[in-house]
Amino acid sequence: TQLLEQSPQFLSIQEGENLTVYCNSSSVFSSLQWYRQEPGEGPVLLVTVVTGGEVKKLKRLTFQFGDARKDSSLHITAAQTGDTGLYLCAGARKAAGNKLTFGGGTRVLVKP
Amino acid sequence: AAGVIQSPRHLIKEKRETATLKCYPIPRHDTVYWYQQGPGQDPQFLISFYEKMQSDKGSIPDRFSAQQFSDYHSELNMSSLELGDSALYFCASSYQGYNSPLHFGNGTRLTVT
Repeated sequence: TQLLEQSPQFLSIQEGENLTVYCNSSSVFSSLQWYRQEPGEGPVLLVTVVTGGEVKKLKRLTFQFGDARKDSSLHITAAQTGDTGLYLCAGARKAAGNKLTFGGGTRVLVKP
Repeated sequence: AAGVIQSPRHLIKEKRETATLKCYPIPRHDTVYWYQQGPGQDPQFLISFYEKMQSDKGSIPDRFSAQQFSDYHSELNMSSLELGDSALYFCASSYQGYNSPLHFGNGTRLTVT
């Protein structure tokens, strides 16, 4: 059982549509990080959220950290083909020494 | 800006052989992490080092060992390779601190035949 569950596992949408990826857990995290990974490359950090209820915006991407710091979401507005990739959420827990635990990933395909 | 450097990018080995993967973290980063990512899977934590001392251990097989050297580079040594060890191996570094993000290298793709 994954400590962090991401949903959906796969998402295929048309360019211009919106999408939301969810990251859920029964555990409390000190922070949640979102990464995007392209094939054959390492994950690249998009954002870190640390405060319960926090909302961060990065151009067309909006990240939210749940009030209880157990869940997070990533919303992309007006998706572009360049948004295609594997989106990974990763949680850090103080008890785990800041070791990151990754969710299973959501593979996003934005079609032209 | 300098990034995490991993070598080699690709490695092909036969079963029962050994492999050594190298990682050069971002300068002044004091923590190094190793992750294994199988095809279509998320990265799985193997082991980490803080200031050259092992700080945490994940699902690293006993056949694998790792260390961090005085210049902060790290090596992952893999012996008695099995077909199931074929994967992408990522190294990441961070500056130790609460909630500090990880910076990943581009990985080493290991293929065991």
